[in-house]
Amino acid sequence: KAGVTQTPRYLIKTRGQQVTLSCSPISGHRSVSWYQQTPGQGLQFLFEYFSETQRNKGNFPGRFSGRQFSNSRSEMNVSTLELGDSALYLCASSLDVGVGTDTQYFGPGTRLTVL
Amino acid sequence: LAKTTQPISMDSYEGQEVNITCSHNNIATNDYITWYQQFPSQGPRFIIQGYKTKVTNEVASLFIPADRKSSTLSLPRVSLSDTAVYYCLVGPNFGNEKLTFGTGTRLTIIP
Repeated sequence: KAGVTQTPRYLIKTRGQQVTLSCSPISGHRSVSWYQQTPGQGLQFLFEYFSETQRNKGNFPGRFSGRQFSNSRSEMNVSTLELGDSALYLCASSLDVGVGTDTQYFGPGTRLTVL
Repeated sequence: LAKTTQPISMDSYEGQEVNITCSHNNIATNDYITWYQQFPSQGPRFIIQGYKTKVTNEVASLFIPADRKSSTLSLPRVSLSDTAVYYCLVGPNFGNEKLTFGTGTRLTIIP
């Protein structure tokens, strides 16, 4: 079974631009979560989507948004990019159909560099 | 979510068994213990998960005492490729609980 895939793997943008990252979960997985990882802050939770609805949200500004499609694929968008948004953005998916099925599996990440 | 405490770093020689212990004193009844491995610039990789006693898979073992206030990840006969950061997480394994990653343990394998 294919793992979580993320595109693109690397991205370079300039301040003020916006960016859209894509995540395809493991087949059959219904929950998709997004995380930001930086050397200074570590791995931080952004938001989680389940059945096309945002179910959980971390402490990030409104510039960070996401959505999930009916096939469970998800996108996250960052508008008005700032230098501090440079990070590894990770997507994780889980089956989430009951007890013992919420183990999250991560994709390889998208490395975003903001100049 | 239960807070976890694990060593910041550990060194070990190739071929040895490595044990990384995680403390989680306020673990709840429905919490599971999950370990992830992460290499630089890659996503965390699921290693093993358990609820109580001992769990073993092809890459590691997880030992959980009866009180579940700690757990030990055991990596048998480590190699240089096991150099990575290892994260211990505690939380319910269902529903919409987000994962909270601590600083992890940076394991360095010495040739």
